[in-house]
Amino acid sequence: SYELTQAPSVSVSPGQTASITCSGDKLGSKYVCWYQQKPGQSPVLVIYQDTKRPSGIPERFSGSNSKNTATLTISGTQAMDEADYYCQAWDSSTVVFGGGTKLTVL
Amino acid sequence: QVQLQESGPGLVKPSETLSLTCTVSGGSISGYFWSWIRQPPGKGLEWIGHIYYSGSTDYNSSLKSRLTISLATSTNQFSLTLRSVTAADTAVYYCARTSRAGNTGYSSDYWGQGTLVTVSS
Repeated sequence: SYELTQAPSVSVSPGQTASITCSGDKLGSKYVCWYQQKPGQSPVLVIYQDTKRPSGIPERFSGSNSKNTATLTISGTQAMDEADYYCQAWDSSTVVFGGGTKLTVL
Repeated sequence: QVQLQESGPGLVKPSETLSLTCTVSGGSISGYFWSWIRQPPGKGLEWIGHIYYSGSTDYNSSLKSRLTISLATSTNQFSLTLRSVTAADTAVYYCARTSRAGNTGYSSDYWGQGTLVTVSS
């Protein structure tokens, strides 16, 4: 079965750029989306179709996807961005989630 | 504004059937996939399956033998039935609206608040 791999945790200082990666075989040939989940809340879609931002998502969130790695980039990271982030893709009639990355802003 | 709300029992006994319903308001069922995703306590997201508004379904292969997702367009609801549950099925269950772009661009833009289902005797 298809697997998406994320680092368990990433730390960033306020105002700096955070990069969260998601790797999978030939991932660049698939669309990837990203969700943000804060404690006790439902996931929120922050990037879809690799690079698109839903309405209401700040411009500091951006995405890319090439070869075997998709990346969620948060520019000028703010304390409110501290959350778990999950990548998601579709393979063989199945939605697959990455294991999630806990972003700490400190 | 589209809203989704899960409903159903919070406690299910082992070997019995878990049944949840998601009610969609503020929008139409048509044109979208309707998904179930779960999250065991302290763990990551797991896709359960989805149903297209036409009635076609895709299921997580690890759950397929125990799983049914159905749709009631007249009441703007869709449902999850998971049979023969064990403690491993204890999780927060979310329903979500899902769109597709091309062949692989599935993404869920509206989610319910989630409901905790505990499997225990």
